[in-house]
Amino acid sequence: GNSVTQMEGPVTLSEEAFLTINCTYTATGYPSLFWYVQYPGEGLQLLLKATKADDKGSNKGFEATYRKETTSFHLEKGSVQVSDSAVYFCAHNTGNQFYFGTGTSLTVIP
Amino acid sequence: DTGVSQDPRHKITKRGQNVTFRCDPISEHNRLYWYRQTLGQGPEFLTYFQNEAQLEKSRLLSDRFSAERPKGSFSTLEIQRTEQGDSAMYLCASSSADRVFSPLHFGNGTRLTVT
Repeated sequence: GNSVTQMEGPVTLSEEAFLTINCTYTATGYPSLFWYVQYPGEGLQLLLKATKADDKGSNKGFEATYRKETTSFHLEKGSVQVSDSAVYFCAHNTGNQFYFGTGTSLTVIP
Repeated sequence: DTGVSQDPRHKITKRGQNVTFRCDPISEHNRLYWYRQTLGQGPEFLTYFQNEAQLEKSRLLSDRFSAERPKGSFSTLEIQRTEQGDSAMYLCASSSADRVFSPLHFGNGTRLTVT
């Protein structure tokens, strides 16, 4: 089947710490992979994407690499800021459908 | 490109009432999706349209839920005889079927509270 499993939160980090949020997926076919971010009271915003194996998506200091052999797409950032506090969703797109993880809440404290 | 807009932002209704939400997608997008999101969960697929055709509905979707996209532009989602379990954030998203690897673009959602 199709699903996304991501690291459970909440995650609390100090400013400038290193962030990793794990994401693995199961998919029929060859999916595109995405990370979305959701700030309080808002909809989801696309953070980054990767469309084929070994592609690296990056945006605003965040990175994730499409690893087909491990079916993973872990999100990383070298130095988080207070403004990165949000909920992060991993997702994949197979055919016309998008499948989302349950989200990982990140709080960055000064 | 003004993004995906949803109306209203918040709706409080009594159990048993009908509610209708509206979504205006990005103008050049021909695909439109409805999702439901509850606290601590990811978006749960409800239905999607390509142009005016409703191509897929979730098997979990009660027959109290109906969606339309009559002219292939804006869409409405109606919930009849609301129940407290319908309380959630209803998200609309759009994408382009004409672009490969087109991501979803979400609106800010309509938060429904059923009392």
